[in-house]
Amino acid sequence: DQQVKQNSPSLSVQEGRISILNCDYTNSMFDYFLWYKKYPAEGPTFLISISSIKDKNEDGRFTVFLNKSAKHLSLHIVPSQPGDSAVYFCAASEGAGSYQLTFGKGTKLSVIP
Amino acid sequence: ETGVTQTPRHLVMGMTNKKSLKCEQHLGHNAMYWYKQSAKKPLELMFVYNFKEQTENNSVPSRFSPECPNSSHLFLHLHTLQPEDSALYLCASSLISGDSYEQYFGPGTRLTVT
Repeated sequence: DQQVKQNSPSLSVQEGRISILNCDYTNSMFDYFLWYKKYPAEGPTFLISISSIKDKNEDGRFTVFLNKSAKHLSLHIVPSQPGDSAVYFCAASEGAGSYQLTFGKGTKLSVIP
Repeated sequence: ETGVTQTPRHLVMGMTNKKSLKCEQHLGHNAMYWYKQSAKKPLELMFVYNFKEQTENNSVPSRFSPECPNSSHLFLHLHTLQPEDSALYLCASSLISGDSYEQYFGPGTRLTVT
């Protein structure tokens, strides 16, 4: 049973427009969420995170939104750039001393010049 | 060297071979992890070491044997693997402290079992 779900395997966006990547989770014990970006032949790179006490966290072009009641989070990238083309993974932790991360399957983002 | 390094980057081995994957972190972290990434599957956590002590073993077959001699080095010893063990093996590290949960990954070892 997948506890972290990324239902869109792929997404294509025009350069300069907004990219929205979605993630749903089923485990109500999760209280810390992270997004990772992965290029081919490289390991995942930490991008941005959010604690369950917040509903938004922003870092430059990247914003993560958390809707706890819907068990849903999203990553917004604006404006999208060709260098953003990668696989994006959503991950979650139960926190409170549990440092294990549960990952989704990833969404492949393609930003078209 | 900075960050998390893994060697080798690619490995082809037969089912009767014994090999080891190596991971080294230069971040001053105190926890290290092995993950397996198979095609079209989420990253699967295999082992967790916290201050050199193994704290998690997620039902991994005994043909995978981890070793953590110190907080900077992590090994995964492989023996009598099966073709379905072919995957990308990722090492990660983190700093266990307060509310920090970010893990930092190495580039991975692409393993092919023939």
